[in-house]
This record gives sequence, C-alpha cells and structure tokens, in this order.
Amino acid sequence: SQQGEEDPQALSIQEGENATMNCSYKTSINNLQWYRQNSGRGLVHLILIRSNEREKHSGRLRVTLDTSKKSSSLLITASRAADTASYFCATWTGGGRRALTFGSGTRLQVQP
Amino acid sequence: NAGVTQTPKFRVLKTGQSMTLLCAQDMNHEYMYWYRQDPGMGLRLIHYSVGEGTTAKGEVPDGYNVSRLKKQNFLLGLESAAPSQTSVYFCASTHTGTGTGANVLTFGAGSRLTVL
Repeated sequence: SQQGEEDPQALSIQEGENATMNCSYKTSINNLQWYRQNSGRGLVHLILIRSNEREKHSGRLRVTLDTSKKSSSLLITASRAADTASYFCATWTGGGRRALTFGSGTRLQVQP
Repeated sequence: NAGVTQTPKFRVLKTGQSMTLLCAQDMNHEYMYWYRQDPGMGLRLIHYSVGEGTTAKGEVPDGYNVSRLKKQNFLLGLESAAPSQTSVYFCASTHTGTGTGANVLTFGAGSRLTVL
C-alpha cells in the first residue's frame, strides 16, 4: 500500500485562484517532498520539508507539515495555466528503506 | 549535464519476450531507483540501489531483475514480459548526506512499455 494519499484526486480552478492539495501518510518520516509531473513527462522536485519543520515557502508555493496528524498540504497561490499538472507528495522514511514512497497524486487543471 | 537518461523511450513487446531498460546518470549519485507508474496512479518502487554492486527490492519487484555494475548505470530487466507489466517506467537518482539536494530525486523522462 502507498504511504501517501493525496486529496483531492482532481482539482479544477480558474487562473489567479489558489490551489490547495493535501497529503496524508502512515508512518514516521524524515522528510516529505512534493513533486510535479506534466503530462507525459518525468517528475520534477518542487519542495522538501523536514520532519522538524512546520512550514516552508518557495516562490508561489507554501507547504505545511503536521507530524501529529501525519499530513501535509501544498498551496499554490495565484495559479497560472502553466501550473496545470499532477502533483505528488512523497515521504522519505529513512532507516532500512532508503527510497521515496509516493502518493497517488492530485491532478490540477488551471483554466485560463 | 544530461541528468538522468533512459533508453529506450518506447518499446512494444510480446508476452514472454525479454528486454532491458537502461538508466544512466552523470551526477555521481550513489542511489538509483526504478519506479513504475500506471494510469491514474502514483509511482511504485520496483528495485533500488544504494551503491555500485548493490540492489534491493521495492514494493513490486516480482518479474523484474536489476543490476548496478557501474555507479552511473542501473539496468532493469524483464525476463519474460507479461501484459501486467505494461506501464511507464521511471528511473531516478539522488545523493545522500545533508547537503543541498540530498534525498531529492532527479527523474528521467520515462520509458513507455507495452506488452501485448
């Protein structure tokens, strides 16, 4: 089973609006990362938040992490048509498993 | 820098055929990964490697084998392809430690495999 589950599965908004995506995970983590995937392409890293951090910003992106609830959210402010993509959260649990576990993703459609 | 390069980009196989996907990275990364992505789903880890000569199983290793004979290359093999292995395969790599980019994956563009 997958470590992370995104919500909603799909989101459609107008340009200029904010988009919020949520991610829940099951086990303790070292860090949580968000990736973006344009249709037919590979994934591109957006932002990493460590388990001892609660909030992080990068340009129009804001990520929060609540380890007590095992959840994270990604906020994209003032969205653009070019933000249309799938967004995935991924967790690095460390220990014996040195790999990222991905969620199922949120498909974001930004209407011009 | 080319980053992570996967070959081939597309391949059609018949059930029972074998093939190898090649992943090459030029970033001197220790860790390399093979994931598969099925429609509407996230990525599932097939196998990974934490260094030259070492490999480990991921979530869905059955039907696949891997080898890491050189640090920059990670090969994924299908010995007897099945229709259930129709998918898009992604290779990724990262470096470890605490510096910038540690544990952040750089992905290849993907290899689309269809098994008839």
